[in-house]
Amino acid sequence: DAEITQSPRHKITETGRQVTLACHQTWNHNNMFWYRQDLGHGLRLIHYSYGVHDTNKGEVSDGYSVSRSNTEDLPLTLESAASSQTSVYFCASSPGTDGEKLFFGSGTQLSVL
Amino acid sequence: QQQVKQSPQSLIVQKGGISIINCAYENTAFDYFPWYQQFPGKGPALLIAIRPDVSEKKEGRFTISFNKSAKQFSLHIMDSQPGDSATYFCAAFTQGGSEKLVFGKGMKLTVNP
Repeated sequence: DAEITQSPRHKITETGRQVTLACHQTWNHNNMFWYRQDLGHGLRLIHYSYGVHDTNKGEVSDGYSVSRSNTEDLPLTLESAASSQTSVYFCASSPGTDGEKLFFGSGTQLSVL
Repeated sequence: QQQVKQSPQSLIVQKGGISIINCAYENTAFDYFPWYQQFPGKGPALLIAIRPDVSEKKEGRFTISFNKSAKQFSLHIMDSQPGDSATYFCAAFTQGGSEKLVFGKGMKLTVNP
């Protein structure tokens, strides 16, 4: 079955380190998204991509970057991890630009100490 | 500025009761209103959605009521079950790109047996 997988499920890192969270989908969806989920803030969009080599900033993009070298993967990089980036990160994909249905991964719990 | 305001933040109901979650929006350009359901440790999943050309949509025990003039929409869960215990997010979307899917802050529902 097609799916979207995130790795790792849990990550602990130190302030200042570079961290990369992986997202892989097998639906062949053009659109992929990264959200962070924090108590009291809901889901906030970090970056998104509409296709290979396309990337766009979302609402809370500072300190994060993404790259899209193929259809299946959209890794999220924290250039220099900060404690404020402790959060649960969700990757999602959708088949078209209408975004009528997002398919989410199971999330990565990131702790920055 | 929060584009979609969701209330209450949490709700406890007894098995068999009705759960009601409310959302309000300001942007009249929104033209699609989905609800996502999230179980602990999982990513959100689309539950039900409505467009503003209808006032109500029902799928099983879940009903969306939409009031275009008041810019409000709500999710009603009839005959609530312990298995409905989850976090519910309302969202709003404008045609032309998933980056415009904005989420409410979420509501944690607990259904007691």
